[in-house]
Amino acid sequence: EVQLVQSGAEVKKPGESLKISCRGSSYSLDTSWIAWVRQMPGKGLEWMGIIYLGDSDTRYSPSFQGQVTISADKSITTAYLHWSNLKASDTAMYYCARGRDGFGRALDIWGQGTMVTVSS
Amino acid sequence: DIQMTQSPSSLSASVGDRVTITCQASQDITDYLNWYQQKPGEAPNLLIYDASHLEIGVPSRFRGSGSGTNFNLIISSLQPEDVATYYCQQSDHLPFTFGPGTKVDIK
Repeated sequence: EVQLVQSGAEVKKPGESLKISCRGSSYSLDTSWIAWVRQMPGKGLEWMGIIYLGDSDTRYSPSFQGQVTISADKSITTAYLHWSNLKASDTAMYYCARGRDGFGRALDIWGQGTMVTVSS
Repeated sequence: DIQMTQSPSSLSASVGDRVTITCQASQDITDYLNWYQQKPGEAPNLLIYDASHLEIGVPSRFRGSGSGTNFNLIISSLQPEDVATYYCQQSDHLPFTFGPGTKVDIK
């Protein structure tokens, strides 16, 4: 059974950097698309971007382009979400999810989520 | 970006009721429409992909329909375990935007 396991909750200060991870349990994920989805407290789902683990081809939502960096290490079937300058407004739950088909259109396997809290 | 709207934003129904949630896209997305269920404190779960295809393991009381710009998620007989927020998502044009969600609870 394929699973996505995310790194643990983080508490950071504004201006700090952070990288969270999403590790796949199966080597077959190296030909998968992995998406990142934000959910701010009490709010809905926001699609941030997607990366193909095979060659790190990455697409961003314009709302998140330049605000975060999505990367991957195919050798360990892991995707990352990185901030270089955190803001209080980055406080949210972040989910990674696997695309079930060729371009990650529908997301069929989700990680458990990583809660990021940014507060001075 | 393609804008997704959902109606209603919330609903309350009795166990056994038929429930319909509507999702509308701001432009034609053919059948690239997915539905997710998110229970409180949990990650979302894929119910329906490509407008009408039931994901493996999802109960058959869930059904998706529609194409173009108008789509429906139908729960044929609402069960207590269906209390959740339901999101549609278009996957035709990047970014693959979500709707605002419909919160379903039991009357």
